[in-house]
Amino acid sequence: GESVGLHLPTLSVQEGDNSIINCAYSNSASDYFIWYKQESGKGPQFIIDIRSNMDKRQGQRVTVLLNKTVKHLSLQIAATQPGDSAVYFCAEKGAGGTSYGKLTFGQGTILTVHP
Amino acid sequence: EPEVTQTPSHQVTQMGQEVILRCVPISNHLYFYWYRQILGQKVEFLVSFYNNEISEKSEIFDDQFSVERPDGSNFTLKIRSTKLEDSAMYFCASLRQGSYNEQFFGPGTRLTVL
Repeated sequence: GESVGLHLPTLSVQEGDNSIINCAYSNSASDYFIWYKQESGKGPQFIIDIRSNMDKRQGQRVTVLLNKTVKHLSLQIAATQPGDSAVYFCAEKGAGGTSYGKLTFGQGTILTVHP
Repeated sequence: EPEVTQTPSHQVTQMGQEVILRCVPISNHLYFYWYRQILGQKVEFLVSFYNNEISEKSEIFDDQFSVERPDGSNFTLKIRSTKLEDSAMYFCASLRQGSYNEQFFGPGTRLTVL
C-alpha cells in the first residue's frame, strides 16, 4: 500500500545552522503533504502544509519543498534553535478521502540542536 | 490558547480488560480522530468521527474498538478486551471546519497492557 517514509532517522545541527529534513512518499495521488513536530512527551504539532499542485511554501523560519517528479518532500528550518529539537514527521492526506480525512504519517526524523 | 486534553495520562491494565480513553477536543472543532503510536514507531490512524458517526477507520480499528461522543465535550475510545499489542500511546486530535490539515493533537494516553 501507499507509504510515507524518511531518508534520515537522525539529524544533529549546531544552533544557528539551517536544517533540512527529508521525506519520500509513494502515493502520488495525495492532496496535501504536511509536516508535524513532536516534542518529547507531547502530541504532534502542525508546522506547515503544502498542496500537491505547489512546489514551495514558506512559513515563519520554515520552508517546505515538494518535488513530485521524484516524490520527495523536504522541510527546511532556518537558523535552527534548541527549541526546534524534536521528532519531525511528514504526513500526507490522500486523495479519494474526505477533505477532513485521516493523515498518514511517515517514520520520523529526530532533530537535535546543539547550543 | 485552547488545547485538546486527554485522560488518563497513563493507563495500566491486564490483558483482556476493557479500557476507556477520554479526550476533550477543542470546543468549536467538528472533526475528531484517534491515532496511536507504538513506542519508536510512526503515528498510525485509527478512526475519524464527524456528525456523531465514524467517517473512516483503519484496519487496526476492529470490533474490539469503539468510539463515542457521549455529550457535547467528551470523545472516548473504548477497547473491549485489551491485548498485549494494544500497548501504545493513544492520541486524540480535533480539527475545525475549514482547516483541512491542522489537526490539534492532545498529549496522549500511554496504555500499557500486562
